[in-house]
Amino acid sequence: GQQVMQIPQYQHVQEGEDFTTYCNSSTTLSNIQWYKQRPGGHPVFLIQLVKSGEVKKQKRLTFQFGEAKKNSSLHITATQTTDVGTYFCAGGSNFGNEKLTFGTGTRLTIIP
Amino acid sequence: DAGITQSPRHKVTETGTPVTLRCHQTENHRYMYWYRQDPGHGLRLIHYSYGVKDTDKGEVSDGYSVSRSKTEDFLLTLESATSSQTSVYFCAISLALSYNEQFFGPGTRLTVL
Repeated sequence: GQQVMQIPQYQHVQEGEDFTTYCNSSTTLSNIQWYKQRPGGHPVFLIQLVKSGEVKKQKRLTFQFGEAKKNSSLHITATQTTDVGTYFCAGGSNFGNEKLTFGTGTRLTIIP
Repeated sequence: DAGITQSPRHKVTETGTPVTLRCHQTENHRYMYWYRQDPGHGLRLIHYSYGVKDTDKGEVSDGYSVSRSKTEDFLLTLESATSSQTSVYFCAISLALSYNEQFFGPGTRLTVL
């Protein structure tokens, strides 16, 4: 079945530094979604990427979908304490009738 | 936040006892999901439903059963709880299977002693 790997598992950064998490799928994806989970909270949808090579920005967050639609990244510029949490990618199969597969997540902690 | 509630929010139970977790939605979404979240494993799908009385297994379905008798309710049952089922359980809903965002409930923390 489809597998979605996410690295790193943990990342500690000084406030103001940049942060990147990477997501890789074993199969071609129809779309990739990103979610954020604050400590003690539930996952919340951030964005969806559909097109090969697509790049989307949300303020300090930049999301990319690879040309082969098998990998993705989330980059945060100048991290703030509000960015703390776990970031998950989730891949949709290219066959369309498969469930979303979530990556294992990257937990971001910020050192003030 | 989407109208999704889970009950109970916290539960402590003993090994061998049955446990039922409830997910209720007010959004009329077709798909409903049960995930468990454990450190180092992310979100793993237990079961999902694509309509009333229509359910299917996820990747970690052993030891769990589900039922959906109404569009708005999706129940997860642990027939005989084990310590390995200690986890945080999330319900989620979506309009489509993999092409639309999922909305998550607040979660249920289950401890099996």
